[in-house]
Amino acid sequence: EVQLVQSGAEVKKPGESLKISCKGSGYSFPSYWIGWVRQMPGKGLEWMGLIYPGDTDARYSPSFQGQVTISADKSISTAYLQWGSLKASDTAIYYCARRSGYYHYDYWGQGTLVTVSS
Amino acid sequence: QTVVTQEPSFSVSPGGTVTLTCGLNSGSVSTTFYPSWYQQTPGQAPRTLIYSTDSRSSGVPDRFSGSILGNKAALTITGAQADDESHYYCVLYMGSGISVFGGGTKLTVL
Repeated sequence: EVQLVQSGAEVKKPGESLKISCKGSGYSFPSYWIGWVRQMPGKGLEWMGLIYPGDTDARYSPSFQGQVTISADKSISTAYLQWGSLKASDTAIYYCARRSGYYHYDYWGQGTLVTVSS
Repeated sequence: QTVVTQEPSFSVSPGGTVTLTCGLNSGSVSTTFYPSWYQQTPGQAPRTLIYSTDSRSSGVPDRFSGSILGNKAALTITGAQADDESHYYCVLYMGSGISVFGGGTKLTVL
């Protein structure tokens, strides 16, 4: 059974750093792109970027380029989303999802709530 | 900047048919954008409904169908049920690994 399990909720202060994770199981993790999606409170879904764990090739939405870093460690089947300096506007739920053939996302993590508040 | 457009809200009567659309601020949507559709209920992760324009994801009822209508991608729900009341999002593939979500449509069944 394919599963993506994300790390737990985080509460951080502005200016702090953060790295959240997404662990895949039940399939060949290096062989599928993993995408990250943001959902701000009460808002829609936003595509942030994705990574191919097999060679760590990462692509970013222009809106998120330079704001976050996507990485992966195929030896532990885990993808990451990280911030160097959080802002209050980074408060959101972040989902990881596996990209399958035909460029769609077929399996989703449960989401990680990130709260940034002083 | 690429903007994917969706109706902000729509309503349908139980048993009725509704078509939600997904367009571009400039240009037409075609199959080469591999449009996909996702359903999200409050507090839940998105669920994949349709991919590659008109292919239903595993376990999705056949009352959900996808197509290209004119210059937009479309999601049609035939025989709407109460538990179809959700947010629906389309995603278009722009090439070079980049995808873009539409703003989402809140569907009310009443």
